[in-house]
Amino acid sequence: DAEITQSPRHKITETGRQVTLACHQTWNHNNMFWYRQDLGHGLRLLHYSYGVQDTNKGEVSDGYSVSRSNTEDLPLTLESAASSQTSVYFCASSEGAGSPLHFGNGTRLTVT
Amino acid sequence: GQQLNQSPQSMFIQEGEDVSMNCTSSSIFNTWLWYKQDPGEGPVLLIALYKAGELTSNGRLTAQFGITRKDSFLNISASIPSDVGIYFCAGPYGNKLVFGAGTILRVKS
Repeated sequence: DAEITQSPRHKITETGRQVTLACHQTWNHNNMFWYRQDLGHGLRLLHYSYGVQDTNKGEVSDGYSVSRSNTEDLPLTLESAASSQTSVYFCASSEGAGSPLHFGNGTRLTVT
Repeated sequence: GQQLNQSPQSMFIQEGEDVSMNCTSSSIFNTWLWYKQDPGEGPVLLIALYKAGELTSNGRLTAQFGITRKDSFLNISASIPSDVGIYFCAGPYGNKLVFGAGTILRVKS
């Protein structure tokens, strides 16, 4: 069965370190998204991609970057981790514009 | 950006009770989606609505696409302990999906 996998599931890092969260999907979806989830804010869009070599900023993109070198992967990088980036991060993919999203199981990131 | 107002923020109900939650938008949507997130997992699509006035059921869940196209409702009948989780509404905004802040549901058995 097709799936979307995030790794690691949990990560603890120190302020100022670079961190990369992996996302891999086997749906063959062109569209991929990164969200962060915080209590009271729901899911906020960080970055998204509509295909290889395409990346776009979401509503809360500062401090984050993504790259899309193939269809299956959209890694999320925190260039210099800050305590405000402690959160749960979800990757998702979809078949087309506005289509329902398939989510991974999340990565819980703690920045100390 | 576009925001969806979801209410209530949380509910603590007795097993067997019915649950209602809703989502409103300041602009018109052509699609409404309802997701559920179990603890420690990612959200999973429950119901998708594509037409104003549409009423769709999925087991004990029923969702409606409001006539004004600015709101949607989700009802759960005869709640059970496994209904616990966070319920999100979502709708397309441009080429992206925007989400409500979620309704946290807790069930007392």
